[in-house]
Amino acid sequence: AQSVTQPDIHITVSEGASLELRCNYSYGATPYLFWYVQSPGQGLQLLLKYFSGDTLVQGIKGFEAEFKRSQSSFNLRKPSVHWSDAAEYFCAVAPLNTGGFKTIFGAGTRLFVKA
Amino acid sequence: DVKVTQSSRYLVKRTGEKVFLECVQDMDHENMFWYRQDPGLGLRLIYFSYDVKMKEKGDIPEGYSVSREKKERFSLILESASTNQTSMYLCASTLPVGASRSNTGELFFGEGSRLTVL
Repeated sequence: AQSVTQPDIHITVSEGASLELRCNYSYGATPYLFWYVQSPGQGLQLLLKYFSGDTLVQGIKGFEAEFKRSQSSFNLRKPSVHWSDAAEYFCAVAPLNTGGFKTIFGAGTRLFVKA
Repeated sequence: DVKVTQSSRYLVKRTGEKVFLECVQDMDHENMFWYRQDPGLGLRLIYFSYDVKMKEKGDIPEGYSVSREKKERFSLILESASTNQTSMYLCASTLPVGASRSNTGELFFGEGSRLTVL
């Protein structure tokens, strides 16, 4: 069965420190891959996506993610975290050519940033 | 700027009440979705619609129904609210596959409607 695993329920990092949020997926073929961010009390906003080409993708707010086919992973990174990055982050996968109908979300990782 | 608007951000209802959650998008998207978000469970798809008056069940449709009378509006209905339907409800929309070369099915979300059923 298709699934998305975010192994860390929550992570705490110091402001200015680097960040890596893990995401592993189980799928028969390479799907589209997404990271969304949800600030407190808000809906989800797309941070970045991968569908082909360069396996290192750049997103908004200084985030990047690397697709590793051999590990079925799509980890999110940021070199220096800001207090405003405190939010919940969702990894998601969608099969090719399904127009969002079959998007599967991970359970989310909540990021806390300490001063 | 593209926008998905959920009319009610916070609602408190009593068990057995009928609840309407409204969602409007201004992006001319064909596809619209209702998700339920609960801690530790991520987002679960309740219903989706790919055209006016068309709807399909998602993963957890029990206790819910939907209505799509106009392209821009997708409503979620709880016919008789129960306490286990206390949750955050998120509406989303997207273009259909093939609508543009860059379309990969990314979802555009509203800000959510937090429903409490007492």
